[in-house]
Amino acid sequence: DAKTTQPPSMDCAEGRAANLPCNHSTISGNEYVYWYRQIHSQGPQYIIHGLKNNETNEMASLIITEDRKSSTLILPHATLRDTAVYYCIVRVHQAGTALIFGKGTTLSVSS
Amino acid sequence: DGGITQSPKYLFRKEGQNVTLSCEQNLNHDAMYWYRQDPGQGLRLIYYSQIVNDFQKGDIAEGYSVSREKKESFPLTVTSAQKNPTAFYLCASSISGRNRGYGYTFGSGTRLTVV
Repeated sequence: DAKTTQPPSMDCAEGRAANLPCNHSTISGNEYVYWYRQIHSQGPQYIIHGLKNNETNEMASLIITEDRKSSTLILPHATLRDTAVYYCIVRVHQAGTALIFGKGTTLSVSS
Repeated sequence: DGGITQSPKYLFRKEGQNVTLSCEQNLNHDAMYWYRQDPGQGLRLIYYSQIVNDFQKGDIAEGYSVSREKKESFPLTVTSAQKNPTAFYLCASSISGRNRGYGYTFGSGTRLTVV
């Protein structure tokens, strides 16, 4: 699986967009980008995933660069409840192994 | 409502004792997983199972054991051989045995403390 690099922490004001970057320069053609988040003392929650096209759902948007070497998770209007650790994971869609979670980015949303 | 249940939420164990953490799901998911999380760290994979009666070791399986006798249940035993068992343990399940990367559902975790 390709290695990912995320900043350890980010801050965001409530109501503003939160843009969380992820570098995955060694990603291969059949690897997807997945995002999960973990609110303190809870299990991680799936957010979104994509291959090469931008994706949007009710939680967030995922922007993947044309060369696929980096991506950005966008929370359009961050709230205090979005304070969490966000994990970017790169992996083939169906694999014989489990997801591997790195240290992620701790997003702090403040009023 | 469907979900994944871990019990107990908090568990205290004396050194040298084995302890079993429960994980039950009613989502009809084929695959189940156990992760360990230490303070300020990401999740590390202990064991996973893609189908009943089959499971594979993860990165930190030493000192742990599992069983998968039923699709709904994937208990984790922390044995006395685990040198530093105090941690937050998370169980998860996923949609199919083909192990797609999305759709993992996690339990609320068990916090184990060795006293």
